[in-house]
Amino acid sequence: KAGVTQTPRYLIKTRGQQVTLSCSPISGHRSVSWYQQTPGQGLQFLFEYFSETQRNKGNFPGRFSGRQFSNSRSEMNVSTLELGDSALYLCASSLIGGRALGNEQFFGPGTRLTVL
Amino acid sequence: SQQGEEDPQALSIQEGENATMNCSYKTSINNLQWYRQNSGRGLVHLILIRSNEREKHSGRLRVTLDTSKKSSSLLITASRAADTASYFCATDSMDSNYQLIWGAGTKLIIKP
Repeated sequence: KAGVTQTPRYLIKTRGQQVTLSCSPISGHRSVSWYQQTPGQGLQFLFEYFSETQRNKGNFPGRFSGRQFSNSRSEMNVSTLELGDSALYLCASSLIGGRALGNEQFFGPGTRLTVL
Repeated sequence: SQQGEEDPQALSIQEGENATMNCSYKTSINNLQWYRQNSGRGLVHLILIRSNEREKHSGRLRVTLDTSKKSSSLLITASRAADTASYFCATDSMDSNYQLIWGAGTKLIIKP
C-alpha cells in the first residue's frame, strides 16, 4: 500500500499571501488529521476530517481551514500568511480515528512552509 | 497546550547502551503512543499502550505506563545508530475528544 503523500514538499511564500497544501491518505483510511510542527511548540493539532466533515478542531485562528473530498484526500488552506506560520505541516491518516481503539496515525513527509 | 512532556529533552549515548525516555501527562488518558521522527523516515508509530495495560514490548522497545503517576517510559535496548531520532509521546483522552496531544519530544543521539 502506498503511504501518505503530501504536496508540495517545500513552499516559500511572503506575508499576506495564502497557501493550499494537499494530502492523500492511505487507501481505505477515512480520517485525516493535520498538524503544525515548530521547534518551539512541537506538534500542534489543527483539525481532523472524517467522511468529508470536520470532526475536531484545534486552537488555531480562522485563517487556517481545511476540507476533505469524497475520496478522503484533504487540503488545508492558510490565508493572510504571517511570519509565525513558518513550520512543517504534517498530515496523518488513520483507518477510523477519533474514538476508535488505537487511533494509530500514519504520517506523510510533511510540507515545509517558509513565510518571508 | 501540550499534554505530554518528555524527559530528558536530549540524550546522547554510546551504541549498544540502553536508552530510557520518560513522558508525563496531565489528564486521564485512553491510550498513550510513542512515535519516532527522523529525517529519513518522517514520523513513525512505534507502540501503543492502553490505559489498562502496564507494560508492552515490541522488539527492542519496552514501554511502561503508570496511570497513578500519569507517566510512561520508553526503553530502547542495545541501541543502534539508526535509533538516532526524536521520540514523542502522544495521548488521547475523552477530554481531548480522542485527538492526540503531543509532547515536545526527546532528541536521542547514538554515538558509534
